[in-house]
Amino acid sequence: EAGVAQSPRYKIIEKRQSVAFWCNPISGHATLYWYQQILGQGPKLLIQFQNNGVVDDSQLPKDRFSAERLKGVDSTLKIQPAKLEDSAVYLCASSKSTDTQYFGPGTRLTVL
Amino acid sequence: AQSVSQHNHHVILSEAASLELGCNYSYGGTVNLFWYVQYPGQHLQLLLKYFSGDPLVKGIKGFEAEFIKSKFSFNLRKPSVQWSDTAEYFCAVNSGYSTLTFGKGTMLLVSP
Repeated sequence: EAGVAQSPRYKIIEKRQSVAFWCNPISGHATLYWYQQILGQGPKLLIQFQNNGVVDDSQLPKDRFSAERLKGVDSTLKIQPAKLEDSAVYLCASSKSTDTQYFGPGTRLTVL
Repeated sequence: AQSVSQHNHHVILSEAASLELGCNYSYGGTVNLFWYVQYPGQHLQLLLKYFSGDPLVKGIKGFEAEFIKSKFSFNLRKPSVQWSDTAEYFCAVNSGYSTLTFGKGTMLLVSP
């Protein structure tokens, strides 16, 4: 069974630029999550999708972050414009329901 | 809001030493508890989980954890660590349909 796929693996941008991350969940997993993991901390949930609907986006900074999950499969997370404090690893995870979450390799974002 | 506290940020052990990593959570209701591990250069992987039943849970690679409801704890143990156990360990909790909350992680370094 293929795992959660993410791209790119690394991204370096300057502040005020925009960036987008892509995630392909495990086949058949209805729930998809985006997390932000800042160095030295545990992952923090940004947004949770159930199929293509948003379940929880209470911790998503909506003035600069956006996410979509078209057709209930792949998802993209966008930051526009980026700030220095957005430097982090962005993790995508998926699960069948509210069961165990399976994580992708993450995208390491550096904002200069 | 629920929170997760991991007692040690860094642990250094010699091979064959016993391991216990502490985890406490704040939520008083029914909870699901997880330990995830991140080996160097790899993505987060599930080590073990507790949903209900026997409070002593066995996971992969000889790890186990004990859920003590009265202490709001879910400590991770391994009787004899190996060099290959060097990794970062995250405790996480959710309740029902609530989002998964992670601790800050414990970096374990096992010296050969």
